Amino acid sequence: AQSVTQLDSHVSVSEGTPVLLRCNYSSSYSPSLFWYVQHPNKGLQLLLKYTSAATLVKGINGFEAEFKKSETSFHLTKPSAHMSDAAEYFCVVSDDDMRFGAGTRLTVKP
Amino acid sequence: NAGVTQTPKFRVLKTGQSMTLLCAQDMNHEYMYWYRQDPGMGLRLIHYSVGEGTTAKGEVPDGYNVSRLKKQNFLLGLESAAPSQTSVYFCASSRGSGTGISGRASSYEQYFGPGTRLTVT
Repeated sequence: AQSVTQLDSHVSVSEGTPVLLRCNYSSSYSPSLFWYVQHPNKGLQLLLKYTSAATLVKGINGFEAEFKKSETSFHLTKPSAHMSDAAEYFCVVSDDDMRFGAGTRLTVKP
Repeated sequence: NAGVTQTPKFRVLKTGQSMTLLCAQDMNHEYMYWYRQDPGMGLRLIHYSVGEGTTAKGEVPDGYNVSRLKKQNFLLGLESAAPSQTSVYFCASSRGSGTGISGRASSYEQYFGPGTRLTVT
């Protein structure tokens, strides 16, 4: 059975500094991987997805993620944080089944 | 094009009461899902549907029932609410073509509704 682990429950960065949200997964198949963002009191919105094409995936709002099969990781990055990036982020793995990570809350300090 | 809508947005129930949450999508998606979100636990799948007239259990189906009589609608029912069902409920839809043994995984993105905040006292 597959699983997904978001290594940090909370990440705090200053505005203008890089963002790194970490996600490790286990899968017996070739998975599809997603990152979703949830702003306060809102539903989830897709940031980006990996479906066995290019390993570096670019998403909306300047986010990107790299699929590393050898490390079973799919970390989310952004070069420069903006105040509007403050939200909860979910990593999702989908192969035989679909699982959400527990989420990482990103705080951006002015 | 409203995407995925959920009714109601908020509800307070007493233990033992019943209610139905309505989800509607206008994207002609085959797959629809009901999740609950609890602090520190991400989203957990309650029930899902791979097409009109079909439903199947997810990770945490106990205490809930669903129906998909029309392709665009997916209803979640609580027959006898319990405090443990206090949560935020999200509906989602996606294109079809499920993968894997369970048939509920998908390589397509899910579109989420705004959520329903339910409190059971």
